Amino acid sequence: DVKVTQSSRYLVKRTGEKVFLECVQDMDHENMFWYRQDPGLGLRLIYFSYDVKMKEKGDIPEGYSVSREKKERFSLILESASTNQTSMYLCASTDSGLPNNEQFFGPGTRLTVL
Amino acid sequence: AQSVTQLDSQVPVFEEAPVELRCNYSSSVSVYLFWYVQYPNQGLQLLLKYLSGSTLVKGINGFEAEFNKSQTSFHLRKPSVHISDTAEYFCAVSDFSRDDKIIFGKGTRLHILP
Repeated sequence: DVKVTQSSRYLVKRTGEKVFLECVQDMDHENMFWYRQDPGLGLRLIYFSYDVKMKEKGDIPEGYSVSREKKERFSLILESASTNQTSMYLCASTDSGLPNNEQFFGPGTRLTVL
Repeated sequence: AQSVTQLDSQVPVFEEAPVELRCNYSSSVSVYLFWYVQYPNQGLQLLLKYLSGSTLVKGINGFEAEFNKSQTSFHLRKPSVHISDTAEYFCAVSDFSRDDKIIFGKGTRLHILP
């Protein structure tokens, strides 16, 4: 059974803190993605990665960075958390060998920044 | 550029009644189409997908969708909903390019009324 896991389901941080959100997939997928989900706005792509040590900006990269040191792990970093980064964060992965780009999602991390 | 429009942000429906969630897309090339479901406080899971072949696609939990190329639509239907279908539903499109991304609609929240 394929699996994408995220390090925390719920997280509460203070403004200005550095925050790490971890995502691990066990499907040997090349591509990994970070989205944030907000009511009425759907899913918005923050960053994605096609391979180890590679990263590409998505639609809303400001205030975020990512790290992909190993194929199975993709980390999202909030360098200095702000209240407008309170959101649900979703990680996903795809197999680049499949042409249809079907994405497999983790359970999400609900981050609250106070 | 691709885009996805989900025409209804919320759909209330009585239990055991039929439901249709509407999705229209725009793309200049051939596409793959998906419906994902998100139950409360969970990540997204694939409900069904259209890759090629028959335009009527059957998914999990009794859902089906019909691809209509001339109307650029991919509406989701279920003949009789259950309280457990309460969730948010996302339509998504991916084209035949190799950028490995999916474009998501903003979601439709399905409310089942007793």
